[in-house]
Amino acid sequence: QVQLVESGGGVVQTGRSLRLSCAVSGFHFYNYVMHWVRQAPGKGPEWVACILSDGRTAYYADSVRGRATISRDTPQKALYLEIETLRVEDTAFYYCAKGTPGWSLDSWGQGTQVTVS
Amino acid sequence: QSALTQPASVSGSVGQSITISCSGSYYDIGAYEYVSWYQHHPGKVPKLVISGVRSRPSGVSDRFSGSKSGNTASLTISGLQPEDEAIYYCTSFTTSTTLVFGGGTRLTVL
Repeated sequence: QVQLVESGGGVVQTGRSLRLSCAVSGFHFYNYVMHWVRQAPGKGPEWVACILSDGRTAYYADSVRGRATISRDTPQKALYLEIETLRVEDTAFYYCAKGTPGWSLDSWGQGTQVTVS
Repeated sequence: QSALTQPASVSGSVGQSITISCSGSYYDIGAYEYVSWYQHHPGKVPKLVISGVRSRPSGVSDRFSGSKSGNTASLTISGLQPEDEAIYYCTSFTTSTTLVFGGGTRLTVL
Protein backbone atom coordinates (compact mmCIF):
# COMPACT_ATOMS: atom_id res chain seq x y z
CA GLN A 1 0.00 0.00 0.00
CA VAL A 2 0.97 3.64 -0.32
CA GLN A 3 3.39 4.78 2.35
CA LEU A 4 4.94 8.18 2.93
CA VAL A 5 7.38 8.68 5.78
CA GLU A 6 8.68 12.13 6.65
CA SER A 7 11.89 12.85 8.51
CA GLY A 8 14.23 15.71 9.24
CA GLY A 9 12.16 17.76 11.64
CA GLY A 10 13.42 19.14 14.90
CA VAL A 11 14.17 22.33 16.80
CA VAL A 12 15.99 24.97 14.75
CA GLN A 13 17.08 28.52 15.45
CA THR A 14 15.55 31.38 13.52
CA GLY A 15 17.51 32.25 10.43
CA ARG A 16 18.87 28.74 9.95
CA SER A 17 17.89 26.22 7.28
CA LEU A 18 16.22 22.85 7.44
CA ARG A 19 15.76 20.03 4.96
CA LEU A 20 12.84 17.66 5.28
CA SER A 21 12.68 14.30 3.54
CA CYS A 22 9.81 12.04 2.59
CA ALA A 23 10.41 8.42 1.64
CA VAL A 24 7.66 6.94 -0.49
CA SER A 25 6.66 3.43 -1.48
CA GLY A 26 3.69 1.53 -2.80
CA PHE A 27 3.04 3.55 -5.96
CA HIS A 28 4.77 4.73 -9.13
CA PHE A 29 6.37 7.82 -7.63
CA TYR A 30 7.52 9.18 -11.00
CA ASN A 31 3.91 9.54 -12.19
CA TYR A 32 2.57 11.82 -9.50
CA VAL A 33 2.64 15.40 -8.34
CA MET A 34 3.93 15.56 -4.76
CA HIS A 35 3.07 18.17 -2.15
CA TRP A 36 4.17 19.51 1.20
CA VAL A 37 1.50 20.75 3.61
CA ARG A 38 2.04 22.15 7.09
CA GLN A 39 -0.15 22.70 10.09
CA ALA A 40 0.76 25.13 12.84
CA PRO A 41 -0.50 24.54 16.38
CA GLY A 42 -4.17 25.36 16.67
CA LYS A 43 -4.52 26.28 13.01
CA GLY A 44 -5.78 24.69 9.85
CA PRO A 45 -3.48 23.14 7.28
CA GLU A 46 -1.52 25.36 4.90
CA TRP A 47 -0.34 24.16 1.52
CA VAL A 48 3.40 24.85 1.15
CA ALA A 49 4.60 23.62 -2.22
CA CYS A 50 4.30 20.99 -4.92
CA ILE A 51 6.51 19.54 -7.61
CA LEU A 52 5.27 18.02 -10.83
CA SER A 53 6.23 14.58 -12.07
CA ASP A 54 8.78 16.16 -14.45
CA GLY A 55 10.90 16.93 -11.40
CA ARG A 56 11.52 20.49 -12.56
CA THR A 57 8.26 22.40 -12.32
CA ALA A 58 7.45 23.56 -8.80
CA TYR A 59 4.96 25.92 -7.22
CA TYR A 60 5.09 27.58 -3.82
CA ALA A 61 2.86 29.34 -1.32
CA ASP A 62 3.53 33.04 -0.91
CA SER A 63 4.62 32.40 2.69
CA VAL A 64 7.67 30.39 1.60
CA ARG A 65 8.33 31.51 -1.97
CA GLY A 66 11.94 32.55 -2.30
CA ARG A 67 12.96 30.71 0.89
CA ALA A 68 11.90 27.16 0.08
CA THR A 69 12.94 24.60 -2.49
CA ILE A 70 11.01 21.44 -3.18
CA SER A 71 12.77 18.64 -5.03
CA ARG A 72 12.42 14.96 -5.76
CA ASP A 73 14.75 12.04 -6.42
CA THR A 74 12.92 9.53 -8.55
CA PRO A 75 15.40 6.62 -8.28
CA GLN A 76 15.49 7.06 -4.50
CA LYS A 77 11.71 7.56 -4.33
CA ALA A 78 12.19 10.57 -2.13
CA LEU A 79 10.70 14.03 -1.82
CA TYR A 80 12.48 16.93 -0.17
CA LEU A 81 11.69 20.38 1.16
CA GLU A 82 14.40 22.80 2.14
CA ILE A 83 13.45 26.04 3.86
CA GLU A 84 16.03 28.74 4.41
CA THR A 85 15.98 31.72 6.73
CA LEU A 86 13.54 29.99 9.05
CA ARG A 87 11.05 32.11 10.95
CA VAL A 88 9.10 31.43 14.13
CA GLU A 89 5.96 31.26 11.98
CA ASP A 90 7.42 28.27 10.12
CA THR A 91 6.83 26.24 13.27
CA ALA A 92 4.40 23.50 12.26
CA PHE A 93 3.83 19.86 11.61
CA TYR A 94 4.97 19.17 8.03
CA TYR A 95 3.28 16.51 5.92
CA CYS A 96 4.20 15.18 2.52
CA ALA A 97 1.27 14.11 0.37
CA LYS A 98 0.67 12.35 -2.91
CA GLY A 99 -1.24 14.41 -5.41
CA THR A 100 -3.87 13.51 -7.96
CA PRO A 101 -4.43 14.98 -11.44
CA GLY A 102 -7.37 16.87 -9.94
CA TRP A 103 -5.23 18.60 -7.32
CA SER A 104 -6.40 16.47 -4.42
CA LEU A 105 -4.10 14.91 -1.84
CA ASP A 106 -5.03 11.26 -1.64
CA SER A 107 -2.34 9.94 0.67
CA TRP A 108 -0.54 11.68 3.51
CA GLY A 109 2.44 10.84 5.65
CA GLN A 110 2.36 10.93 9.42
CA GLY A 111 4.25 14.22 9.44
CA THR A 112 7.34 15.64 11.12
CA GLN A 113 7.43 18.46 13.65
CA VAL A 114 9.49 21.56 12.97
CA THR A 115 9.97 24.06 15.79
CA VAL A 116 11.73 27.33 15.09
CA SER A 117 12.87 29.31 18.10
CA GLN B 1 -3.86 33.39 -1.19
CA SER B 2 -6.61 34.01 1.33
CA ALA B 3 -7.90 30.94 3.08
CA LEU B 4 -11.29 29.61 2.09
CA THR B 5 -14.07 30.39 4.57
CA GLN B 6 -15.73 27.59 6.48
CA PRO B 7 -17.99 27.72 9.54
CA ALA B 8 -16.05 26.97 12.69
CA SER B 9 -18.45 24.29 13.82
CA VAL B 10 -21.58 22.40 12.90
CA SER B 11 -23.49 19.74 14.75
CA GLY B 12 -26.15 17.17 14.08
CA SER B 13 -27.76 14.18 15.65
CA VAL B 14 -27.12 10.60 14.66
CA GLY B 15 -29.07 9.86 11.49
CA GLN B 16 -29.51 13.48 10.48
CA SER B 17 -27.86 15.29 7.57
CA ILE B 18 -25.54 18.27 7.78
CA THR B 19 -23.96 20.52 5.21
CA ILE B 20 -20.63 22.32 5.53
CA SER B 21 -20.00 25.30 3.28
CA CYS B 22 -16.70 26.47 1.85
CA SER B 23 -16.65 29.97 0.42
CA GLY B 24 -13.99 31.21 -1.93
CA SER B 25 -13.69 33.48 -4.91
CA TYR B 26 -13.57 33.67 -8.67
CA TYR B 27 -9.85 32.89 -8.41
CA ASP B 28 -10.25 29.51 -6.74
CA ILE B 29 -13.56 27.69 -6.24
CA GLY B 30 -15.26 29.69 -8.97
CA ALA B 31 -12.51 29.03 -11.50
CA TYR B 32 -12.11 25.26 -11.47
CA GLU B 33 -13.80 21.99 -10.63
CA TYR B 34 -10.90 21.18 -8.30
CA VAL B 35 -12.49 21.31 -4.87
CA SER B 36 -11.62 18.60 -2.37
CA TRP B 37 -12.75 17.76 1.15
CA TYR B 38 -10.77 16.05 3.90
CA GLN B 39 -11.81 14.39 7.13
CA HIS B 40 -9.34 14.77 9.98
CA HIS B 41 -9.62 12.88 13.22
CA PRO B 42 -7.18 14.40 15.75
CA GLY B 43 -4.01 12.37 15.98
CA LYS B 44 -4.63 10.73 12.62
CA VAL B 45 -3.71 11.59 9.06
CA PRO B 46 -6.24 13.60 7.02
CA LYS B 47 -8.38 11.46 4.75
CA LEU B 48 -9.65 12.53 1.33
CA VAL B 49 -13.42 12.12 1.19
CA ILE B 50 -14.37 14.20 -1.87
CA SER B 51 -12.33 15.20 -4.91
CA GLY B 52 -13.22 17.10 -8.05
CA VAL B 53 -16.15 18.80 -6.29
CA ARG B 54 -18.32 15.68 -6.10
CA SER B 55 -16.31 12.48 -6.66
CA ARG B 56 -15.88 9.97 -3.86
CA PRO B 57 -12.59 8.07 -3.69
CA SER B 58 -12.83 4.33 -3.44
CA GLY B 59 -13.84 3.23 0.03
CA VAL B 60 -15.55 6.47 1.07
CA SER B 61 -19.13 6.06 2.21
CA ASP B 62 -21.85 7.26 -0.18
CA ARG B 63 -23.21 9.25 2.77
CA PHE B 64 -20.64 11.88 1.76
CA SER B 65 -21.49 14.10 -1.18
CA GLY B 66 -20.13 17.33 -2.60
CA SER B 67 -21.44 20.15 -4.72
CA LYS B 68 -20.54 23.62 -5.91
CA SER B 69 -22.44 26.75 -6.85
CA GLY B 70 -20.51 29.77 -8.02
CA ASN B 71 -17.73 30.51 -5.57
CA THR B 72 -19.07 28.25 -2.81
CA ALA B 73 -18.63 24.53 -2.38
CA SER B 74 -20.51 22.30 0.03
CA LEU B 75 -20.02 18.97 1.72
CA THR B 76 -23.13 17.08 2.82
CA ILE B 77 -23.03 14.13 5.17
CA SER B 78 -26.25 12.20 5.39
CA GLY B 79 -27.22 9.63 7.98
CA LEU B 80 -24.72 11.02 10.50
CA GLN B 81 -22.75 8.40 12.42
CA PRO B 82 -20.67 8.88 15.58
CA GLU B 83 -17.49 8.13 13.62
CA ASP B 84 -18.17 11.13 11.38
CA GLU B 85 -17.22 13.43 14.25
CA ALA B 86 -14.02 15.10 13.03
CA ILE B 87 -12.66 18.30 11.55
CA TYR B 88 -13.42 18.81 7.87
CA TYR B 89 -11.27 20.91 5.55
CA CYS B 90 -11.95 22.04 2.00
CA THR B 91 -9.29 22.88 -0.56
CA SER B 92 -9.33 24.42 -3.98
CA PHE B 93 -6.85 24.81 -6.79
CA THR B 94 -6.30 28.48 -7.62
CA THR B 95 -5.51 30.59 -10.68
CA SER B 96 -2.04 31.13 -9.17
CA THR B 97 -1.33 27.40 -9.48
CA THR B 98 -1.47 26.92 -5.75
CA LEU B 99 -3.75 25.09 -3.35
CA VAL B 100 -5.68 26.91 -0.69
CA PHE B 101 -7.23 25.35 2.40
CA GLY B 102 -10.29 26.33 4.37
CA GLY B 103 -9.93 27.04 8.06
CA GLY B 104 -11.72 23.83 9.00
CA THR B 105 -15.12 22.93 10.44
CA ARG B 106 -15.48 20.87 13.59
CA LEU B 107 -18.39 18.47 13.25
CA THR B 108 -20.01 17.30 16.47
CA VAL B 109 -22.36 14.35 16.33
CA LEU B 110 -24.89 14.60 19.14
